[in-house]
Amino acid sequence: EIVLTQSPATLSLSPGERATLSCRASQSVNTYLAWYRQKLGQPPRLIIYDAFNRATGIPARFSGSGSGTDFTLTISRLEPEDFAVYFCQHRVNWPITFGQGTRLDIK
Amino acid sequence: QVQLVESGGGVVQPGGSLRLSCAASGFTFSRYAMHWVRQAPGKGLEWVAFIGDSGNNKNYGDSVKGRFTISRDNSKNTVYLQMNSLRAEDTAVYYCARDLASSWVMGLDDWGQGTLVTVSS
Repeated sequence: EIVLTQSPATLSLSPGERATLSCRASQSVNTYLAWYRQKLGQPPRLIIYDAFNRATGIPARFSGSGSGTDFTLTISRLEPEDFAVYFCQHRVNWPITFGQGTRLDIK
Repeated sequence: QVQLVESGGGVVQPGGSLRLSCAASGFTFSRYAMHWVRQAPGKGLEWVAFIGDSGNNKNYGDSVKGRFTISRDNSKNTVYLQMNSLRAEDTAVYYCARDLASSWVMGLDDWGQGTLVTVSS
């Protein structure tokens, strides 16, 4: 099973600032990595798939990068709705696994 | 618009069984792969099961393999999760999700609101 480790566990920033979230895989996942945002009390929402492709309706302030074992989700200018928990997830083999999450808090 | 509505959750004793359903609408159900993902209270996401568009391709998470069975009825636009030999650690909100792809995994693009399963004596 591939283990995805996200860092930091918690990130405290202000609206308008830039956020950088990391996801590291225990072995290469090529570019088969997705990112999800989960607001409190809601189901997750797909943000990025295959490392850098934005999902439908996702604004351009979200960008993904990386390949192999190291990936980054960048939010260029934080909006109030971006303060949530973010999960990464791979699809390179079975079982699919998720990272433990990064909580993005308002500073 | 895409709608996924889960049902069938509830309280069950350890060792018991439950069948979850997920009714889909707003898209051509038979053309998409589907997943079940769960989230224990206050915890992260755990992928549970996958089924391809035709129902012939299935995969399971290690913690549920041999106990849970995913299936689908394309005539009813519904995906199911039969859960047997339930344990306390199966307590979670169970989400169904639609994949971007038909018979493989690309990304879980639409999610239902979830149904809570509590395993307790």
